[in-house]
Amino acid sequence: EPEVTQTPSHQVTQMGQEVILRCVPISNHLYFYWYRQILGQKVEFLVSFYNNEISEKSEIFDDQFSVERPDGSNFTLKIRSTKLEDSAMYFCASSVLLGYEQYFGPGTRLTVT
Amino acid sequence: QKEVEQNSGPLSVPEGAIASLNCTYSDRGSQSFFWYRQYSGKSPELIMFIYSNGDKEDGRFTAQLNKASQYVSLLIRDSQPSDSATYLCAVRIKGSARQLTFGSGTQLTVLP
Repeated sequence: EPEVTQTPSHQVTQMGQEVILRCVPISNHLYFYWYRQILGQKVEFLVSFYNNEISEKSEIFDDQFSVERPDGSNFTLKIRSTKLEDSAMYFCASSVLLGYEQYFGPGTRLTVT
Repeated sequence: QKEVEQNSGPLSVPEGAIASLNCTYSDRGSQSFFWYRQYSGKSPELIMFIYSNGDKEDGRFTAQLNKASQYVSLLIRDSQPSDSATYLCAVRIKGSARQLTFGSGTQLTVLP
């Protein structure tokens, strides 16, 4: 069964450093998303992406964040200058069409020290 | 602010029993409703979705939606210890078709 994949599974970085989290959505899906979950808290929406453009973003997704689809399979989330409060699990998700079910990848645990 | 509320639990049921998980939402215009299962340290796994009022069954799982009462529930029949996890309710609100708003989850423990 097709699934969303994410790399790395765990990333440790120092405050102020840039990180790139990578995702490969399900191959026939057209909509891509990033969510995060701080330990013990709710899953929170960050951004959605369609047709090489951001289609919606939350207040969390400020200028420090960016997303890109650099090729036909990868979808990336970049954090330019990490803060301690960026430490969280970051989940990539995809859906075949707008409004359809979203399937989540295994996540990247980001630890900022 | 659009909210999704769940009883955080923990909810404990004996093996073989029916587990009932509940979720309420504040935005009357919400359109789509999802139940995800999340094991500790893992990602949300989609187990059910429901778009229309009424019941939807899939194997041991039944989702129930009542839009008038702004209430969605998940029933797990013949609960197994492997069902022990946190169950997340997620809602797609009207006017925001791209994002899911999640509840804080209900922790379910199925006792052998």
